[in-house]
Amino acid sequence: AQSVTQPDIHITVSEGASLELRCNYSYGATPYLFWYVQSPGQGLQLLLKYFSGDTLVQGIKGFEAEFKRSQSSFNLRKPSVHWSDAAEYFCAVGAMEGGGADGLTFGKGTHLIIQP
Amino acid sequence: GAVVSQHPSWVICKSGTSVKIECRSLDFQATTMFWYRQFPKQSLMLMATSNEGSKATYEQGVEKDKFLINHASLTLSTLTVTSAHPEDSSFYICSAESPATYEQYFGPGTRLTVT
Repeated sequence: AQSVTQPDIHITVSEGASLELRCNYSYGATPYLFWYVQSPGQGLQLLLKYFSGDTLVQGIKGFEAEFKRSQSSFNLRKPSVHWSDAAEYFCAVGAMEGGGADGLTFGKGTHLIIQP
Repeated sequence: GAVVSQHPSWVICKSGTSVKIECRSLDFQATTMFWYRQFPKQSLMLMATSNEGSKATYEQGVEKDKFLINHASLTLSTLTVTSAHPEDSSFYICSAESPATYEQYFGPGTRLTVT
C-alpha cells in the first residue's frame, strides 16, 4: 500500500526567506506525485505534479519540486516566500493503473507560518 | 481550468437524519469522481471511488450502507450520509478526474455538522 510522509507538521519561515517542505513516499509502482495547497476555508489547489520526464517540476506561484527516486522524495521549494503563502501544504501520491487515475493518498500536511 | 463545485458548502443536521452532498464537474465530463473526508487539522482520507453508471468502490473501513454514493451522470456524483451521527461531522471533499489528463480537480468541500 502506498503512503506519504510529511515529517514537518509546522514550519515557520521569515518572509523573503527560502522554503523547503519535505515529502517522502512509499509506492510499489511508478508514482504520480502532487503538491496541493489548502488555505483556510478554501479548497485544494494544485501547485504542481510529476508524472514523468524532467525530475524538476515547476509549478504555480513560484513553487518547484524535485523528484528523487533514489530517496523516494518529492520536496517542494520556493526561493522567497510571501506572507500569502501561509497555508496548509499536502503532498500526495497516486497511480494511473488501467489508464485512469486512482484516488490519491495524502500526507498529513505541513502548516506553513510566515513571520514578518 | 476545470472547475468542480460542491453543494451545499456547509450543512447542519440532527442526529439520525440523512444528508445529501452534490459534486459537479462544471466544464468537463468525469467518468470517475472521488470522495474524501478530512477531519480538523488532519489529512484527506479517500473514502470511495465513484464511477458513472456503476457501483462505487469503497476504501477499507468505510461503511457503504452509511455513505451512499451515486454517480448518475458524467457531471454529477452524490454522497448521502445516512442516519448521521455526531462522529460523522467532518469536511467532505470530492474530486473529479479529467478524462484528458487523468488529473483530479477538487471541489471546495462541504462541512457537515451533526448535532
